[in-house]
Amino acid sequence: GESVGLHLPTLSVQEGDNSIINCAYSNSASDYFIWYKQESGKGPQFIIDIRSNMDKRQGQRVTVLLNKTVKHLSLQIAATQPGDSAVYFCAESFSGTYKYIFGTGTRLKVLA
Amino acid sequence: GAVVSQHPSWVICKSGTSVKIECRSLDFQATTMFWYRQFPKQSLMLMATSNEGSKATYEQGVEKDKFLINHASLTLSTLTVTSAHPEDSSFYICSARGESAGNGYTFGSGTRLTVV
Repeated sequence: GESVGLHLPTLSVQEGDNSIINCAYSNSASDYFIWYKQESGKGPQFIIDIRSNMDKRQGQRVTVLLNKTVKHLSLQIAATQPGDSAVYFCAESFSGTYKYIFGTGTRLKVLA
Repeated sequence: GAVVSQHPSWVICKSGTSVKIECRSLDFQATTMFWYRQFPKQSLMLMATSNEGSKATYEQGVEKDKFLINHASLTLSTLTVTSAHPEDSSFYICSARGESAGNGYTFGSGTRLTVV
């Protein structure tokens, strides 16, 4: 069903600082996780992914950490820039289904 | 890289009419496409999974007769919102998955539907 009136949690970060966005996933059987960035009025954009056999993966300025024990995922953005301002979603999937279940999302605001 | 084109980007229609949204994979063959719905300030909700040449699989609570999905070719899936009502107003997003595009998914740019 749909929820009405939810507000996305917001993280405000000073430009140049590091950002950490957290996500709790729901299914302990999920074995593939992705972080997406969504700008206003646009579709989600892939940032980085990680499989359940890893606990850390690094990309350009971004790092994803996976803690399967507590079903927690985080996205770290180094030296946050104004262009990083967007809503960030984590998504989980498990083998064979190819379906993604999206988390609730976090709005990142970069302060100049 | 893999590109998914979604059209139209926005549409306004009258209550009771039907609206068709297209999702095309431009440079790869999409064996599977997904349709999502997103309300303001909320997450993406998966509506259905569309496989080329077969019937779509709908998520629980999504009306099949309301949201008609056709995946007639490996590069095109369409979502038709039939007899639209104001509560159908939303942001609809498709994503596509193809072997030639790796195992990742590429999202379209979304369609803003407003029913008046």
